[in-house]
Amino acid sequence: SYELTQPLSVSVALGQTARLTCGENTIGSKNVHWYQHKPGQAPVLVMYRNTNRPSGIPERFSGSNSGNTATLTISRAEAGDEADYYCQVWNSVVVFGGGTRLTVL
Amino acid sequence: EVQLLESGGGLVQRGGSLRLSCEASGFTFSKNAMSWVRQAPGKGLEWVSLISGRGGSTSSADSVKGRFTISRDNSKNTLYLQMDSLRVEDTAVYYCAKMDQSTSDNFDVWGQGTLVTVSS
Repeated sequence: SYELTQPLSVSVALGQTARLTCGENTIGSKNVHWYQHKPGQAPVLVMYRNTNRPSGIPERFSGSNSGNTATLTISRAEAGDEADYYCQVWNSVVVFGGGTRLTVL
Repeated sequence: EVQLLESGGGLVQRGGSLRLSCEASGFTFSKNAMSWVRQAPGKGLEWVSLISGRGGSTSSADSVKGRFTISRDNSKNTLYLQMDSLRVEDTAVYYCAKMDQSTSDNFDVWGQGTLVTVSS
């Protein structure tokens, strides 16, 4: 089965840059989407088709996808960015990565 | 404003049934594929089922195939998930999600979720 690998946790200092990865051997040929999920809230789409930000998502969020790794980059991290982040692709069915807990120190 | 409002969650015994609903507003419901996604306690997001805009095509995760049925009533702007033969491992918050009409491969709007607890 198709599996997306995400690190369980990433920490970043306030104001610094966080890079969240999503790995799979053929992911560079896929469209990767990213969701931010805070406890008790609905997930929010923060990046679609690798590099596209939905309206309302800050420019601090950017994405890339090449080879076997897709990356969501959060620049100038803020306390409000603390959340779980999930990557997702379409592979005949919907596939989510296991999620990364982002901690802003 | 685009909104999705889930209902129907609750406590049910193992082997029992439950039907979830998701009422949509603020967009042309029949033009969008819709999905259910769940999150078990302490776990990540897990896709459950997907249905096309007109309801003619559905797909489900292997973990629920044969037990859960996704459907929709476009006249009522409502998505459903009929859950039968429930297992303890089906305990989760169930989210309704709208598939992005322009891309057809990601979800651009999510509901707040409804909690389903299956007791042993």
